[in-house]
Amino acid sequence: AQSVTQLDSHVSVSEGTPVLLRCNYSSSYSPSLFWYVQHPNKGLQLLLKYTSAATLVKGINGFEAEFKKSETSFHLTKPSAHMSDAAEYFCVVRYNTNAGKSTFGDGTTLTVKP
Amino acid sequence: DTGVSQNPRHKITKRGQNVTFRCDPISEHNRLYWYRQTLGQGPEFLTYFQNEAQLEKSRLLSDRFSAERPKGSFSTLEIQRTEQGDSAMYLCASSGTGDESPLHFGNGTRLTVT
Repeated sequence: AQSVTQLDSHVSVSEGTPVLLRCNYSSSYSPSLFWYVQHPNKGLQLLLKYTSAATLVKGINGFEAEFKKSETSFHLTKPSAHMSDAAEYFCVVRYNTNAGKSTFGDGTTLTVKP
Repeated sequence: DTGVSQNPRHKITKRGQNVTFRCDPISEHNRLYWYRQTLGQGPEFLTYFQNEAQLEKSRLLSDRFSAERPKGSFSTLEIQRTEQGDSAMYLCASSGTGDESPLHFGNGTRLTVT
C-alpha cells in the first residue's frame, strides 16, 4: 500500500530563517510526489510536483523540494521564511500503477514568528 | 474563474437526514475525485471517476455514501441517514489524465451533523 509520512506535525521558525518540512514515502514503484499548502479557511493549493524529471524541484513562493530515492524522501525547503508562509503543508504521493489515488500525509503546521 | 466549484459551502443537517453535494470540475479535466478532511488530518481519499466511470472507491465509503458523475462533467456526493461522525469537510478535486497531473481542489463543503 502506498503511504506517506510527514515527520513533524508542527514546525516553528522565525521570520527570515530557513524552513524544512520533512516527508518520507513508501518505496514501492515509481512515485509522483507533490506538496500542497492550505491556509486557514482556504482551499488546497499546489506548491510543486516531482514527476521523474529533475530531482530538485522549484515551486511557487520560493519553495523547493529534493527527491532522494536512496532515502525515500521529498523534503520541502525555503531559504527564508515569511510571515505569509504560516499554513498547513501536505506531502502527497501517487504511484503510477494506481494513478487514480493520491495519498496525503497528515500535514505539518508551519508557524512563523516575527 | 474556471477552477473547481463546490456547492454548498456549508451544510448543517440533523442526524438521519440525507444530504447531497455538488462538484463542478475544471472543464477540460476528465478525472474527478472526492476526499474527506477532518480537523487535524490530511484529506482521505473517498472515490474517483474517469469521465463517467467510477474507477475506485475507498473502504471509508460506506453503503450510505454514493457518488455519481452521470455525464462525465459535474459530480454529486450523497450521504444518506447522516451520522454525527460524517461531520467533516468534503473536498472535490479534478485533474487531467496524465499520471503527472496534479489535483486541483475546490474550496470544499463543510458538513455539520447535529
